[in-house]
Amino acid sequence: QVQLVESGGGLVKPGGSLRLSCAASGFTFSDYYMSWIRQAPGKGLEWVSYISSSGRTIYYADSVKGRFTISRDNAKNSLYLQMNSLRAEDTAVYYCARGLGYCSSTNCYGSFDYWGQGTLVTVSS
Amino acid sequence: EIVLTQSPGTLSLSPGERATLSCRASQSVSSSYLAWYQQKPGQAPRLLIYGASSRATGIPDRFSGSGSGTDFTLTISRLEPEDFAVYYCHQYGSSRGFTFGPGTKVDIK
Repeated sequence: QVQLVESGGGLVKPGGSLRLSCAASGFTFSDYYMSWIRQAPGKGLEWVSYISSSGRTIYYADSVKGRFTISRDNAKNSLYLQMNSLRAEDTAVYYCARGLGYCSSTNCYGSFDYWGQGTLVTVSS
Repeated sequence: EIVLTQSPGTLSLSPGERATLSCRASQSVSSSYLAWYQQKPGQAPRLLIYGASSRATGIPDRFSGSGSGTDFTLTISRLEPEDFAVYYCHQYGSSRGFTFGPGTKVDIK
């Protein structure tokens, strides 16, 4: 069965860095585009970034562009999110999700059919 | 960026009643690339509908989606106790990234 397990969350000071990981199993990871979505405490969902199956197509929300970097290692069935220059407003549960769709050379299009349980990132002094 | 607006913010209904949730986009959603998710407290979202009207694997047929362009609807024909949750719409057809609606909470009247 499809499983996505996030790790790497925790408490970090403003301006600090954190690297999230998502371990995938139960499907051919290299066949799917992947994404990170976050949810601030008591708030709605906010899409953060996606990456195509090959890693060649990447896109970020404006709110994280220039600070966050998404990557993947298909040999390790893993997705990553490097978060730098963290701010209080980055505090959220971060979910990784599998994309149900396709990617062009510039964009991906697809809903998210499987989600992990999330990892909490808290940015506070 | 395509902005999604969901209404109502909260829907108070009884089990067995019909629920109609609306999602309106600030501009046309290409190819009806619109999905609906259900989220219960402490859980990850679950995909219900994609492509505006296609049910995801394992989703009961009391859930249905419709609409195109800028106006989309999620209908739950007869509410079961496990359907009381928050529902989000999501557009994934923009070349400028994805967006989610703010959510509609369906609670027990």
